[in-house]
Amino acid sequence: SQKIEQNSEALNIQEGKTATLTCNYTNYSPAYLQWYRQDPGRGPVFLLLIRENEKEKRKERLKVTFDTTLKQSLFHITASQPADSATYLCAPPTPPSGSARQLTFGSGTQLTVLP
Amino acid sequence: EPEVTQTPSHQVTQMGQEVILRCVPISNHLYFYWYRQILGQKVEFLVSFYNNEISEKSEIFDDQFSVERPDGSNFTLKIRSTKLEDSAMYFCASSDRASISNTGELFFGEGSRLTVL
Repeated sequence: SQKIEQNSEALNIQEGKTATLTCNYTNYSPAYLQWYRQDPGRGPVFLLLIRENEKEKRKERLKVTFDTTLKQSLFHITASQPADSATYLCAPPTPPSGSARQLTFGSGTQLTVLP
Repeated sequence: EPEVTQTPSHQVTQMGQEVILRCVPISNHLYFYWYRQILGQKVEFLVSFYNNEISEKSEIFDDQFSVERPDGSNFTLKIRSTKLEDSAMYFCASSDRASISNTGELFFGEGSRLTVL
């Protein structure tokens, strides 16, 4: 069956360092993948979308890669700040149809940036 | 900046009661969604809605659930007879695109917390 897994439940890093979060998927090939940020008690907020024909996408201090061979997406935050502390969710379309009308969210990685 | 608004922010109800959660999507969006998140768990898809009908629904969205767009602005989720396990945060979302070739991001509201006693 298809699975989406995010590398760890929690990641602590020092301010100024680069945070790298991993999203792995198995048994299907999504045409794209979205990343969201979720703060406690709030709704997810869209950050970036990367398509299968794009190796890398950047937005300010954020960078996403998409390796369809490894079936993995990496999400990087450079020069991290305490305000980046949140849960980050990987969200490809739901298999097997890959319809954009339905996203499957990963369980998220809770990032804490320590001052 | 336009946003998705949801009411109520928190509702407490007794098991077996009907609940209606309300959402006002972003005005020029055409695709509407409900997701839910049980405390400490993943955000889960419930239903998508386009052109006044359900596009897709998950197996969570059983006969106890229904959605409606009663007018040009509101989008509602009704749970007919609530169960304890319906306790969760319910998120409404909207998008202006949903085709696989022109995918749009989802804009989420702040959620309605439902507590079933």
